[in-house]
Amino acid sequence: KNEVEQSPQNLTAQEGEFITINCSYSVGISALHWLQQHPGGGIVSLFMLSSGKKKHGRLIATINIQEKHSSLHITASHPRDSAVYICAVYASGSRLTFGEGTQLTVNP
Amino acid sequence: GAVVSQHPSRVICKSGTSVKIECRSLDFQATTMFWYRQFPKQSLMLMATSNEGSKATYEQGVEKDKFLINHASLTLSTLTVTSAHPEDSSFYICSASRSGNYNSPLHFGNGTRLTVT
Repeated sequence: KNEVEQSPQNLTAQEGEFITINCSYSVGISALHWLQQHPGGGIVSLFMLSSGKKKHGRLIATINIQEKHSSLHITASHPRDSAVYICAVYASGSRLTFGEGTQLTVNP
Repeated sequence: GAVVSQHPSRVICKSGTSVKIECRSLDFQATTMFWYRQFPKQSLMLMATSNEGSKATYEQGVEKDKFLINHASLTLSTLTVTSAHPEDSSFYICSASRSGNYNSPLHFGNGTRLTVT
């Protein structure tokens, strides 16, 4: 079992829909990262969380440390949001552990 | 935001040749750079961690003589794939860190797609 589990693996939505991607992990962590990987391969860091909630534009990320769970929400989704979204966790003194990613496709 | 430049973005080479990939932090000093490899439909796999001025730390199973990493300055790290073979064909991507760990935002290059024929 992967230390980091993402769901769903694939997600197709219509433009304007509210999207949620989930990430569960099994170890104690000091930071959780949400990343966006574009079709060309480049990766953009969306959020780094250690507690609570962060918001940037249409993106919201939350984390519940006790439940070892994080969610990434996209409001008013747009075709340009189509990408692979990756959750990665960092346990102090260890390496970054990546989830398998969620392939999001937003149709116009 | 912080910018990491990686070159080349795409390279095709013949089996047996060597390929150098550069990773530069353009507007900050990167204490540590991380090199990853990614196969299609798979997650990133850490190959090695390099700190400026010291030898890279390689992950288990990664041949240090095949994947040469140099981090000569706080803004530049290079990965050289020596005597490349078709099985080395993959997507390679670097990440630069100010802090040396993952308790700060991550900054990735755009990756290099290597094809060995």
